[in-house]
Amino acid sequence: QAVVTQEPSLTVSPGETVTLTCASSTGAVTSGHYPYWFQQQPGQAPRTLIYDTNNKHSWTPARFSGSLLGGKAALTLSGAQPEDEAEYYCLLSYSGARPVFGGGTKLTVL
Amino acid sequence: EVQLVESGGGLVQPGGSLRLSCAASGFTVSSNYMNWVRQAPGKRLEWVSIIYGGGSTDYAESVKGRFTISRHRFKNTLYLQMNNLRFEDTAVYYCVTGDYANWGQGTLVTVSS
Repeated sequence: QAVVTQEPSLTVSPGETVTLTCASSTGAVTSGHYPYWFQQQPGQAPRTLIYDTNNKHSWTPARFSGSLLGGKAALTLSGAQPEDEAEYYCLLSYSGARPVFGGGTKLTVL
Repeated sequence: EVQLVESGGGLVQPGGSLRLSCAASGFTVSSNYMNWVRQAPGKRLEWVSIIYGGGSTDYAESVKGRFTISRHRFKNTLYLQMNNLRFEDTAVYYCVTGDYANWGQGTLVTVSS
């Protein structure tokens, strides 16, 4: 099974921009992995922010965006807010195999 | 509005069984594909199982042969039958729509002697 890797932790100052990444042990992440990004607040269920690389749901704040960057999936937060402090997970789909979640990035807004 | 409500979690001994339920509203379970995803305490999310609209299923290797996903058309409910439970199955289990857009609140399964 593939291993999906994220930064364990990142810190961003309020109002600043931060990029979280999601890498695959099998090689470059492409749109064919249909990358998802989820936000999980402590004690709560995850909620989906981004699907299929860069698509947003109606509830996704405009400051979040998804992309492919340097062979990885990326989630960029432009103008961090205190309420963005959370755990972020990516999910990659693999043709003929089961989907795999990343290890999560704990984002601190400080 | 889609709502998913899980139930059926609890404390069970190793080797025991539990059946999780996920009651759906605002959404037809039998016409769509649905996932179970779990999260052990302090750990990453882990995909567990999927049932497709046509009824075919798939499982993570860690649960294959022990867990069974199913659904009830008239009750609009998704199930996860879990047999031969192990300590490492301890987790919050989430019912999730196939597109991951909607998540239940989760139900905690604790496997302990």
